[in-house]
Amino acid sequence: AQSVTQLDSQVPVFEEAPVELRCNYSSSVSVYLFWYVQYPNQGLQLLLKYLSGSTLVESINGFEAEFNKSQTSFHLRKPSVHISDTAEYFCAVNGGNKLVFGAGTILRVKS
Amino acid sequence: DAGITQSPRHKVTETGTPVTLRCHQTENHRYMYWYRQDPGHGLRLIHYSYGVKDTDKGEVSDGYSVSRSKTEDFLLTLESATSSQTSVYFCAISITGDYGYTFGSGTRLTVV
Repeated sequence: AQSVTQLDSQVPVFEEAPVELRCNYSSSVSVYLFWYVQYPNQGLQLLLKYLSGSTLVESINGFEAEFNKSQTSFHLRKPSVHISDTAEYFCAVNGGNKLVFGAGTILRVKS
Repeated sequence: DAGITQSPRHKVTETGTPVTLRCHQTENHRYMYWYRQDPGHGLRLIHYSYGVKDTDKGEVSDGYSVSRSKTEDFLLTLESATSSQTSVYFCAISITGDYGYTFGSGTRLTVV
């Protein structure tokens, strides 16, 4: 069965600093990978996804993630974070008509 | 969240009582899911449905049942609520099941 490991439960960072949220998944054929974001007291929103093609995928608000098959990773990065990026981020992988989620990483952006 | 609504948004109930949560979609998606979210555990799948009257168990299905009599509605029932079922419950819908979900706003359930 598929599994996802998010290596950091919390990541504190200062505003305008770069950030990387790490995600590793168990190896499988035809992997589809996702990052979801959950702002306080809200539901989850899709941030970006990798289905096929270019291994680097980007979101509209400056996040990017790179699919690395050899390292079974899909780390999320942003070169300069804002206070408004404070949220919990979940990595997910497909697993037989359903998604398997990691435990989440709370990104805390400090001024 | 466009096309998917959960009710109620908040509920407090007593131990031992049955509780039903409702998920309603207007997108005509085939797949519907119930997850629970708990600190440190992320989202864990309770049950899912791949069509009317077609359901399957997830990793934390004990103490829960589901029904889907119409494409648009997916009900989650806690047969006899326990304090360990205090959680936030999310419904999600998907066209294919593998290509990503749209989530509802969640139901915060407290069992006292």
